[in-house]
Amino acid sequence: GAGVSQSPRYKVAKRGQDVALRCDPISGHVSLFWYQQALGQGPEFLTYFQNEAQLDKSGLPSDRFFAERPEGSVSTLKIQRTQQEDSAVYLCASSADSFLAEAFFGQGTRLTVV
Amino acid sequence: GQQVMQIPQYQHVQEGEDFTTYCNSSTTLSNIQWYKQRPGGHPVFLIQLVKSGEVKKQKRLTFQFGEAKKNSSLHITATQTTDVGTYFCAGLIYNNNDMRFGAGTRLTVKP
Repeated sequence: GAGVSQSPRYKVAKRGQDVALRCDPISGHVSLFWYQQALGQGPEFLTYFQNEAQLDKSGLPSDRFFAERPEGSVSTLKIQRTQQEDSAVYLCASSADSFLAEAFFGQGTRLTVV
Repeated sequence: GQQVMQIPQYQHVQEGEDFTTYCNSSTTLSNIQWYKQRPGGHPVFLIQLVKSGEVKKQKRLTFQFGEAKKNSSLHITATQTTDVGTYFCAGLIYNNNDMRFGAGTRLTVKP
């Protein structure tokens, strides 16, 4: 596609429910990042993939968060047993190469846990 | 938490006034990128600085990367209402895979 696509755009989950957020990066982009952005804050790094390899997952806040990119293109961020503090916008970004390349962001998924 | 600090958090200016936001890191950065996020939108890439002391200009925007590669600034000359948004710096920590964003500076412009 022309840009990074994320779905769903909005998700309301009941506390304790599992959710899966999808990211379709720009075709051919090697690097893919997930960020969490709370209201009024900057994006917080969650995890980074280079092709299908998850090179850095140091930003994942707990073991309830899991990300995968099995074929090196589409990625899924899964949150198990959601908590209210998980409410945020989850942004996905991709870049053609490593961190030294411009990152293109998707529109984000706004997750609200009630 | 944020390893890259950005100030000020908010800036309200009259149209035509200048605006500057500053980004500081306690550790050396390999590069720094600047993004703009409009209300309700997603971050959009503006520029990347890699070299120590580098200065780049985009029309009314001037970007600087410090000599020690630990700080950066974005200066907007003669702001316009279209400049409204939140400006983020994002630094790649040297010898690390993490691209860390600052908390952003929210700019509002009064016509």
